Amino acid sequence: DVKVTQSSRYLVKRTGEKVFLECVQDMDHENMFWYRQDPGLGLRLIYFSYDVKMKEKGDIPEGYSVSREKKERFSLILESASTNQTSMYLCASRSRGFGYFGPGTRLTVT
Amino acid sequence: DAKTTQPPSMDCAEGRAANLPCNHSTISGNEYVYWYRQIHSQGPQYIIHGLKNNETNEMASLIITEDRKSSTLILPHATLRDTAVYYCIVRENSGNTPLVFGKGTRLSVIA
Repeated sequence: DVKVTQSSRYLVKRTGEKVFLECVQDMDHENMFWYRQDPGLGLRLIYFSYDVKMKEKGDIPEGYSVSREKKERFSLILESASTNQTSMYLCASRSRGFGYFGPGTRLTVT
Repeated sequence: DAKTTQPPSMDCAEGRAANLPCNHSTISGNEYVYWYRQIHSQGPQYIIHGLKNNETNEMASLIITEDRKSSTLILPHATLRDTAVYYCIVRENSGNTPLVFGKGTRLSVIA
């Protein structure tokens, strides 16, 4: 089975903290994605990467950065967390065609 | 923006077939139709995809109209565990373009 794992299911951080969300996939997929999901807004794409050390902005990249040093790992970084970044964060990976999602990280910024 | 239109919500009686429609009138010739679902508090799960022929797997059937401007996902015998938000997405099979999600259809299966 394809596995996409995320480092935490639930996370609570304080305003101004630097936050790292980690995503690891075990299928040697080239493409990896970070989405956030909020009630009424659906899934919105933050960043994606189609190769190691490559990254592309999605629809809402402001306040976020990413890192992809190895093919299997894609990290989302909140440089200085703010309360409006409280959300469910979902990672996905894909080779061609359909993608696989991780279980999500519910981040609360207080 | 998503290229698909789906009803915001639907109900289905347990054991009956659930038919979820999707309009994609601007679909291009090399774009596939994908369906995902998201059960509460979980990540989206792939269900099925197709180009122009009808497709069936262990989870569902996908019926695509001849002009490819709309499709229907069929869950033949809905159970309570099928209660979820169902997303219809169109995209090319190759390349690096990401999946773009619309609002989906919230399916409630009722006992």
